[in-house]
Amino acid sequence: AQSVTQLDSQVPVFEEAPVELRCNYSSSVSVYLFWYVQYPNQGLQLLLKYLSGSTLVKGINGFEAEFNKSQTSFHLRKPSVHISDTAEYFCAVSDQRGSYIPTFGRGTSLIVHP
Amino acid sequence: DSGVTQTPKHLITATGQRVTLRCSPRSGDLSVYWYQQSLDQGLQFLIQYYNGEERAKGNILERFSAQQFPDLHSELNLSSLELGDSALYFCASSPASGGSRETQYFGPGTRLLVL
Repeated sequence: AQSVTQLDSQVPVFEEAPVELRCNYSSSVSVYLFWYVQYPNQGLQLLLKYLSGSTLVKGINGFEAEFNKSQTSFHLRKPSVHISDTAEYFCAVSDQRGSYIPTFGRGTSLIVHP
Repeated sequence: DSGVTQTPKHLITATGQRVTLRCSPRSGDLSVYWYQQSLDQGLQFLIQYYNGEERAKGNILERFSAQQFPDLHSELNLSSLELGDSALYFCASSPASGGSRETQYFGPGTRLLVL
């Protein structure tokens, strides 16, 4: 079984500032890692995913994440945020074998202020 | 737009009632997943269907059931509704094979309010 911890429930930041949303996971097997974004009143949209290979993963909307196996982390970063990035961000992990059903973190609310 | 559609968008009903939520997966996707999102529980996996067969079960109550039809659309049936069933219900789909089968594509959700 896997678990995901998103260390911050809310992250306020000013527009054009950099941001990092933290995610740690635990698993006894090799995993795939994901970040999803949920805009108000919408479903979840895939931002990026790590399957294998390079530990730095680039996604949509200028986001990137780095997989750190030794620290079991997959933090999400963006060098300069926009007001439109205000949303809920979910980190998720799934087993590399089997059903691929992800376990989600509780989410981090990113609030971008002008 | 993920290509996954869900109806209805909103549903208001009373305790004790039964409702059916509908999901159409992306074209070609054989797997359908149902999730419940609430403030206190977060995003919880309920059940997965693959090409008409139940594949995996999560935290789904006995009052809830689902099925996937030959045209691959899926329905989630919630019965004997309680106030605590008020939540957002998401459907997701994924390909059967190939490089993206580990990735799920989410629908816009159905917001259920039980009064």
